[in-house]
Amino acid sequence: GENVEQHPSTLSVQEGDSAVIKCTYSDSASNYFPWYKQELGKRPQLIIDIRSNVGEKKDQRIAVTLNKTAKHFSLHITETQPEDSAVYFCAASIGGTASKLTFGTGTRLQVTL
Amino acid sequence: GAVVSQHPSRVICKSGTSVKIECRSLDFQATTMFWYRQFPKKSLMLMATSNEGSKATYEQGVEKDKFLINHASLTLSTLTVTSAHPEDSSFYICSARGQGAMRDGFGSGTQLSVL
Repeated sequence: GENVEQHPSTLSVQEGDSAVIKCTYSDSASNYFPWYKQELGKRPQLIIDIRSNVGEKKDQRIAVTLNKTAKHFSLHITETQPEDSAVYFCAASIGGTASKLTFGTGTRLQVTL
Repeated sequence: GAVVSQHPSRVICKSGTSVKIECRSLDFQATTMFWYRQFPKKSLMLMATSNEGSKATYEQGVEKDKFLINHASLTLSTLTVTSAHPEDSSFYICSARGQGAMRDGFGSGTQLSVL
């Protein structure tokens, strides 16, 4: 089955700096890659996603890039703010949004003042 | 859109009892529902996938007789943890998927503590 690896496990950045989280996946058939933000004790919230027919997608301070050849995708957060502090999970699925997700191991992002 | 409601949010039970968790899609029809388990500071692990009106598909290592899943309608799926034991203590969270690009979301999760 699909295997998703995520790095780093923890990331500390100063407010205003950029943060980058990277994931790799194993199954070349995967075609949907969402990113979730989860605050302590809360549900994961979808923050951005990308499909395999697109190489990059941006939404304000958040962007995601996908390299299908290398089977990796990354989350980029610019101008980080303290409220960006949370655990971020990448995920991959075969078959799009209606299919089961395989999650990465998570990255705990801490934005310091 | 894509509002998913999960109840209860927290449950404490004695060892040996059964606990039912409900997951509802409030503003869309969920053709598929997923049940995940999350240990503290860990990732979400898929337990099973359920499609309305059919038997759930369980992931390897998940006991189907212990974690009973019912998806009787397009808006409701239930997970019953039978004969719960302390090792079943965990955060359980559902995800509902429907048709359309934005028709999916996570429930708020259920923190189960088995004494």
